[in-house]
Amino acid sequence: QSALTQPASVSGSPGQSITISCTGTSSDVGAYNYVSWYQQHPDKAPKLMIYDVINRPSGVSNRFSGSKSGNTASLTISGLQAEDEADYYCGSYTSGITLFGGGTKLTVL
Amino acid sequence: EVQLVQSGAEVKKPGEYLKISCKASGYSFPTYWIAWVRQMPGKGLEWMGTIYPGDSDTKYSPSFQGQVTISADKSISTTFLQWSSLKASDTAMYYCAREGGRPLDIWGQGTTVTVSS
Repeated sequence: QSALTQPASVSGSPGQSITISCTGTSSDVGAYNYVSWYQQHPDKAPKLMIYDVINRPSGVSNRFSGSKSGNTASLTISGLQAEDEADYYCGSYTSGITLFGGGTKLTVL
Repeated sequence: EVQLVQSGAEVKKPGEYLKISCKASGYSFPTYWIAWVRQMPGKGLEWMGTIYPGDSDTKYSPSFQGQVTISADKSISTTFLQWSSLKASDTAMYYCAREGGRPLDIWGQGTTVTVSS
């Protein structure tokens, strides 16, 4: 299985919205509603932000939302804040294992 | 509080054996899968494999099958990741994470492994 495909970088100004895509195949992203998104600040452990495509864990801001269409999942962050600057990874369950995307660096201008 | 606490940083030589650990607390350890994730310097996350401590059922990513061994000891609520013969390319940060259903919902703080002659 190959890693999921994410853009290497995205950027936005404070207050704006950005969307990060995560493209897989009909065997992973397209096959299951088990896409998750993780935020990782430098030198910190990843943090779960979205699970099962659209759900937010308790404590995660509602500025973060997820969606999926076919083999592509998306993470949208609205009302960008400086603290959102981080690396973001998607993950998808497939055949008993988890695949990650290559990661997207979000820069808040 | 639900948490995973990993063992400390390791510096090893190529060919050496290593076993790092991840101790769980605050929840029923046997009933959740625990995964191990590698992050090489400056790179992304790679899912290595997972174990169900209840019966030690284990699954590995094809990329890591045969390269590492994942095990668990229910009596001390701890999961382990071990190498029989380290390589320089094993230098990385290693995270354990609870697979709460499908997502990795609780993460350890990470263990840095450095392999250098």
